[in-house]
Amino acid sequence: GESVGLHLPTLSVQEGDNSIINCAYSNSASDYFIWYKQESGKGPQFIIDIRSNMDKRQGQRVTVLLNKTVKHLSLQIAATQPGDSAVYFCAETSRYNNNDMRFGAGTRLTVKP
Amino acid sequence: ETGVTQSPTHLIKTRGQQVTLRCSSQSGHNTVSWYQQALGQGPQFIFQYYREEENGRGNFPPRFSGLQFPNYSSELNVNALELDDSALYLCASSRPEMNTGELFFGEGSRLTVL
Repeated sequence: GESVGLHLPTLSVQEGDNSIINCAYSNSASDYFIWYKQESGKGPQFIIDIRSNMDKRQGQRVTVLLNKTVKHLSLQIAATQPGDSAVYFCAETSRYNNNDMRFGAGTRLTVKP
Repeated sequence: ETGVTQSPTHLIKTRGQQVTLRCSSQSGHNTVSWYQQALGQGPQFIFQYYREEENGRGNFPPRFSGLQFPNYSSELNVNALELDDSALYLCASSRPEMNTGELFFGEGSRLTVL
């Protein structure tokens, strides 16, 4: 079946370095993608989203890249900080219809001081 | 903080029992979605309520049921609990009219079934 998945389950980076978290999706009908951050003991928190008519979107210290050709999504975090340590999920759903938002398994990012 | 509150935060039940989890959505949000998150996994969609009607359902058996009230708060009910129902249950609110799929999550209710 179709799924949203991540390439790596864990990522460890040095404070101040850039982080790249990858995600593969297989549903070619997906047209809206979101990255969420989940800290221990908390619910997922929205980071950034991108629609399928875009290939790049930037936020504060974060950039999401979408490659529809290979069905790949990535989250780049610039100047990673200890507060960025968390599990990051990519999720996909249809435009304006989030009644089946599908999440990947997550990547745990650890930032070393 | 997202403004979405869930209760209880933790609870322990035994197999065969029933449980009700509650969620208050963010002010102005008319849609509530429920997710099950097993340890070490991503959230799995259970169902969504929009204006008090079920508006989509994931691959969960009928013993998972829900309600949404006129004030848009919601309940998740699980009957005949099984050990595999042990998980973090997340509620998320949204407002589709805003033309964004962003979900605002609560901090979850952690259910342990013994």
